[in-house]
Amino acid sequence: EPEVTQTPSHQVTQMGQEVILRCVPISNHLYFYWYRQILGQKVEFLVSFYNNEISEKSEIFDDQFSVERPDGSNFTLKIRSTKLEDSAMYFCASSENRDSTGELFFGEGSRLTVL
Amino acid sequence: EDQVTQSPEALRLQEGESSSLNCSYTVSGLRGLFWYRQDPGKGPEFLFTLYSAGEEKEKERLKATLTKKESFLHITAPKPEDSATYLCAVQARGYNKLIFGAGTRLAVHP
Repeated sequence: EPEVTQTPSHQVTQMGQEVILRCVPISNHLYFYWYRQILGQKVEFLVSFYNNEISEKSEIFDDQFSVERPDGSNFTLKIRSTKLEDSAMYFCASSENRDSTGELFFGEGSRLTVL
Repeated sequence: EDQVTQSPEALRLQEGESSSLNCSYTVSGLRGLFWYRQDPGKGPEFLFTLYSAGEEKEKERLKATLTKKESFLHITAPKPEDSATYLCAVQARGYNKLIFGAGTRLAVHP
């Protein structure tokens, strides 16, 4: 069964460092997303990406965050200068088309710990 | 402001003891309501989509229903493998983002 894969599974970084989280969405999906979940809290939307551009973003997704689809398969989230409050599980997700943007396939997540 | 409230926060059932989880929502024009299952340390797994009041969806021991203000996830004769956190999310018209509730943590004991 096709799946969304994420790397790394866990990353520890120092405050102020840049972090790149990587994702390979399901190959025939058109919409890509990043969500995050701070420990013990709700899953929160960060950004959606369609047709090589951001289609929607949340207030959390400020200038410190960026997304990119550098080639035909990878989808990355970059945090330019990490803060303690960026510590969370980051989930990549994809959906097939415009009519199924709520039916997300999530990856296993990348746990980011900022010290 | 669009929001989702789930209750109870946690639920403990004996195997075979049926129950319901509640999801109350306020949204400026509902595009869809979604149920997901999340196992510890994993990403959410899609279960159901509901679009309009009165709609019902079923899958194995799970049945999801929708009214204009809330959704229920009914679990019939649960098994230990149904233990997980069940998340409800809404999507407003004109948006792709999902707004998630905090979830109900279900534990089913043999």
